[in-house]
Amino acid sequence: AQSVTQLGSHVSVSEGALVLLRCNYSSSVPPYLFWYVQYPNQGLQLLLKYTSAATLVKGINGFEAEFKKSETSFHLTKPSAHMSDAAEYFCAVSSNDYKLSFGAGTTVTVRA
Amino acid sequence: DTAVSQTPKYLVTQMGNDKSIKCEQNLGHDTMYWYKQDSKKFLKIMFSYNNKELIINETVPNRFSPKSPDKAHLNLHINSLELGDSAVYFCASSQELGGAHTDTQYFGPGTRLTVL
Repeated sequence: AQSVTQLGSHVSVSEGALVLLRCNYSSSVPPYLFWYVQYPNQGLQLLLKYTSAATLVKGINGFEAEFKKSETSFHLTKPSAHMSDAAEYFCAVSSNDYKLSFGAGTTVTVRA
Repeated sequence: DTAVSQTPKYLVTQMGNDKSIKCEQNLGHDTMYWYKQDSKKFLKIMFSYNNKELIINETVPNRFSPKSPDKAHLNLHINSLELGDSAVYFCASSQELGGAHTDTQYFGPGTRLTVL
C-alpha cells in the first residue's frame, strides 16, 4: 500500500525566508502525489500535484515541489514566506484502491 | 459560489444522540467522500460514493451510515454518538473515483462535532 511520511510536524520560518516542507513516499508503483493546504478553520485546498508529467511541479501561491524517485521524496518549497502562508500542509498519495492517503501534516508558522 | 458545502458547521451534542451532517457539491462531480480529522489533525477517509454507489467503506463503526440521495449530495448519519466521535468531518468531491488517481479533491469547510 502507498503511504507518505511528513518529516517535521512543525516548521517556523521568518517572513521572507525559504519554506521547505519534507515528504517521503512509499509506493510499489509510480505514485501520484499531492500537497494540500488547510488554513485555520477551513477545508483543504490543493496546492499542487505530481502526475508523472514533469518532476518539478509548480502550484498556487508561489509553491513548487520536486519529485525525486531516487530519494522517494516530494518536498514542497517556497522561496519567500509570507504571513499568509501560516497554515497546515498535508502531503498525500493516491493509491491503487482509489484512496487518498494523507501524511500527518506540518504546521507552518511565519514570524514577522 | 460555494463548491462543496456542509451543514452544520458546528455540532455539539450529548453522548447517545443521533445526528446527521449534510454535504452538497455544485461542481457536477461524480464522486464524493467523507473524511474524519482527529484532534491531532490526522485525516482519514471514511467513505466514498461514486454516482450514488458506495465504493470505499473503511473500517468505520456501523453507527456511521452514509446516504447519497443523488450524486450531488452525500450525508453522514451517526447513531449513538460516543465521546471518541468528536472530530472535524470533511466532505469532499472529485470528478472521478480517485480521479484515475490524479484528480483533485475539493473539500468542504468541515463540520466540528463535539460529543459531551
